[in-house]
Amino acid sequence: AQSVTQLGSHVSVSEGALVLLRCNYSSSVPPYLFWYVQYPNQGLQLLLKYTSAATLVKGINGFEAEFKKSETSFHLTKPSAHMSDAAEYFCAVSERGNNRLAFGKGNQVVVIP
Amino acid sequence: GAGVSQSPSNKVTEKGKDVELRCDPISGHTALYWYRQSLGQGLEFLIYFQGNSAPDKSGLPSDRFSAERTGGSVSTLTIQRTQQEDSAVYLCASSPWTSGGPETQYFGPGTRLLVL
Repeated sequence: AQSVTQLGSHVSVSEGALVLLRCNYSSSVPPYLFWYVQYPNQGLQLLLKYTSAATLVKGINGFEAEFKKSETSFHLTKPSAHMSDAAEYFCAVSERGNNRLAFGKGNQVVVIP
Repeated sequence: GAGVSQSPSNKVTEKGKDVELRCDPISGHTALYWYRQSLGQGLEFLIYFQGNSAPDKSGLPSDRFSAERTGGSVSTLTIQRTQQEDSAVYLCASSPWTSGGPETQYFGPGTRLLVL
């Protein structure tokens, strides 16, 4: 069964510093991978997705993620954190031919001024 | 354009009562999904509708949960004889059909259910 692991439920980052959120997946076949962001009292918004077209994926708001098959990882990064990046971030996986998303536990990002 | 809408935004009910949660997907989207978000379990898949195909009900936690989608558009998630552990945020998502994957799922704001 497909699954993702996100370590560290709460992540604190200084404004202007690198944001790095780790995601490792488990899937029996090459998966599709997603990062979603959730702002307080809102639904989930897609940041970016991996479709196998390119291993480095650029998303909205300056975020990007790199698919590394050898490490079964899809870590999310942003070079310089903004206060507006404070939110909860979820990594998700779906297998080809199966549209269900399996989510990680999420990372609550706090940006320190 | 209009996104996915859900109603009510908040619902408080008593243990043992039935509740209905509504989802209006984005117009033209053929796929509709229900997920549940709770403190203990995180985000969990519940059920998936695609066009006229039989729904994928593999995520429903018990037979107290059911969902239907009328006319390929609006969906209702029904929880019968609610229990306190049903308290959660219920999220609906919809997606278009694409010839190549993956489909992006667009989420509604959710219905926050509290069972007393």
